Amino acid sequence: DTGVSQDPRHKITKRGQNVTFRCDPISEHNRLYWYRQTLGQGPEFLTYFQNEAQLEKSRLLSDRFSAERPKGSFSTLEIQRTEQGDSAMYLCASSYRAGARTDTQYFGPGTRLTVL
Amino acid sequence: GESVGLHLPTLSVQEGDNSIINCAYSNSASDYFIWYKQESGKGPQFIIDIRSNMDKRQGQRVTVLLNKTVKHLSLQIAATQPGDSAVYFCAEKETGFQKLVFGTGTRLLVSP
Repeated sequence: DTGVSQDPRHKITKRGQNVTFRCDPISEHNRLYWYRQTLGQGPEFLTYFQNEAQLEKSRLLSDRFSAERPKGSFSTLEIQRTEQGDSAMYLCASSYRAGARTDTQYFGPGTRLTVL
Repeated sequence: GESVGLHLPTLSVQEGDNSIINCAYSNSASDYFIWYKQESGKGPQFIIDIRSNMDKRQGQRVTVLLNKTVKHLSLQIAATQPGDSAVYFCAEKETGFQKLVFGTGTRLLVSP
């Protein structure tokens, strides 16, 4: 499978615990994005990396959220001190920037987080 | 699997009909638009995109129309099939930014 992969696919945790999700982009894609989706809504942008640099962050990304892409390949999204309101599907997407053309974002299957 | 979009606008069509899904956007600075299909329990799947310097683009069985005057986007699916049943999202991107801003979504139900 050469698509975007995410791990784990499902995570159930208790309020107050920390969780970490991983995203592996399509090979050679230099841009990586995180979105969050709640039931009945479209995905909401969280943050975006070009190579290892984090270039855009949403105000949705509170100080409990941190994302990294240390070597410009896979990325991790950590949520500290989880709250019930963090329950959502966390989606990762990747794209390849080629010149001035807008690049298409391809999404992974998502990680479904449930905070009890 | 889980349900995506519990209270979304719904379009019900018969197999073989043509479907038209509409989307309004509000940001006049948006220069790129894209349609995604999302099945229950899965991530959004790219269908077709269009840049603001175009008003129509065709793919396989799909056509996207862009009307910048009224800030309206539509997705036309020809000869709709049961496998097209899903939630469809439009998204826009503003010049100078990479984030996509998604619309509410429309559920398409195709009956055999």
